Amino acid sequence: DIQMTQSPSSPSASVGDRVTITCRANLNIANYLNWYQQKPGKAPKLLIFAASTLQTGVPSRFSGVGSGTDFTLTISSLQPEDFATYYCQQSLSAPFTFGPGTKVDIK
Amino acid sequence: QVQLVDSGGGVVQPGRSLRLSCAASGFTFSDYTMHWVRQAPGKGLEWVTLISNDGTRKYYADSVQGRFTISRDNSKNTLYLQMNTLRAEDTAVYYCARQGGEVAGPCDYWGQGTLVTVSS
Repeated sequence: DIQMTQSPSSPSASVGDRVTITCRANLNIANYLNWYQQKPGKAPKLLIFAASTLQTGVPSRFSGVGSGTDFTLTISSLQPEDFATYYCQQSLSAPFTFGPGTKVDIK
Repeated sequence: QVQLVDSGGGVVQPGRSLRLSCAASGFTFSDYTMHWVRQAPGKGLEWVTLISNDGTRKYYADSVQGRFTISRDNSKNTLYLQMNTLRAEDTAVYYCARQGGEVAGPCDYWGQGTLVTVSS
């Protein structure tokens, strides 16, 4: 199975900060990497798929890069509604494993 | 608009069974691969299973292999998850999700989730 890790685990940030979250796969997954945002008590929401393609309706302050084993999600200027937990997921092969999540907290 | 409505959760004793449903609307259900993803209380997301659009291909996480069965009824636009021999560690919110149209695509729409509690 493909294992996914994320870092940092729980960064603290302020409104307006640039936030970067890293996701790493233990095998080459090409660009089959997706990012989701989840708020407490809500279903996950797709932000980015295929490593760098922004889902329709997602603000342009979110961006993703990477290929192979190393990927990054960046929020260019953190907004109050962005405080949430972010998960990466590989969709190359079953089981379609998620990373452990990164909770972005208010500093 | 695309809508997925999860139902069937509840409290069940260890070793018993439960069937979850996911009613789909707003898209051609029979064109899409569907997934179940779960989230234990206070924990992260765990992928559980998927079924291809025509029901011929199914994959399971090791943690549920042999106990859970995914199925679908394309005439009723409904996805199912039959859960047998339930364990305390199966306690979670279960979400159904639609896979985007691309091969190996992301889960682009999600249900609201249904809570399964396994407890004596």
